[in-house]
Amino acid sequence: AQSVAQPEDQVNVAEGNPLTVKCTYSVSGNPYLFWYVQYPNRGLQFLLKYITGDNLVKGSYGFEAEFNKSQTSFHLKKPSALVSDSALYFCAVRDGNPSGNTPLVFGKGTRLSVIA
Amino acid sequence: SAVISQKPSRDICQRGTSLTIQCQVDSQVTMMFWYRQQPGQSLTLIATANQGSEATYESGFVIDKFPISRPNLTFSTLTVSNMSPEDSSIYLCSVVANWGTEAFFGQGTRLTVV
Repeated sequence: AQSVAQPEDQVNVAEGNPLTVKCTYSVSGNPYLFWYVQYPNRGLQFLLKYITGDNLVKGSYGFEAEFNKSQTSFHLKKPSALVSDSALYFCAVRDGNPSGNTPLVFGKGTRLSVIA
Repeated sequence: SAVISQKPSRDICQRGTSLTIQCQVDSQVTMMFWYRQQPGQSLTLIATANQGSEATYESGFVIDKFPISRPNLTFSTLTVSNMSPEDSSIYLCSVVANWGTEAFFGQGTRLTVV
């Protein structure tokens, strides 16, 4: 069975500083990994994904994530945080089954607070 | 890509009543997934809906409480039955497409039970 761990409930960072939101996963076979962001009273927004290829994935709004197979991690990063990045971030995984018959499994979420 | 139309977007319901949520996808998909997001929590999978067969429910969710219909490859409904305030959540439908490399979500139904 797939699972995702986001070890931090809350991450606080000063504006302009780099940020990291951690994610580790467990899946049988090759993982498909995703990051989503949710702003208050808004729907899920897709940030980026890792399917195959380069371990460093670049996504929306200047975010990037690095896939590390040996550490089964997919940490979300941004070089310089903005106050507007403050939101709830979810890491998700599914197995690399191309049939589309398996859903995404989500981590519990990490609340990012960027302080001016 | 896939576009999912989910409705209603929000509702306030009396306890003991039922609400049916609809999801329409603009392309045919084998599976549709229903999630619940309780306030301040993550997304939890309720069930997987496969056209032509009974939905598969995750541990902690039962058909009597969350009956699901999947009459064709583009449409599904989730009913929240005999509601209580604990059912107040956001409910989302989702599909996986493009050989499993993309996931798409409806905008969610924000349910408040009073």
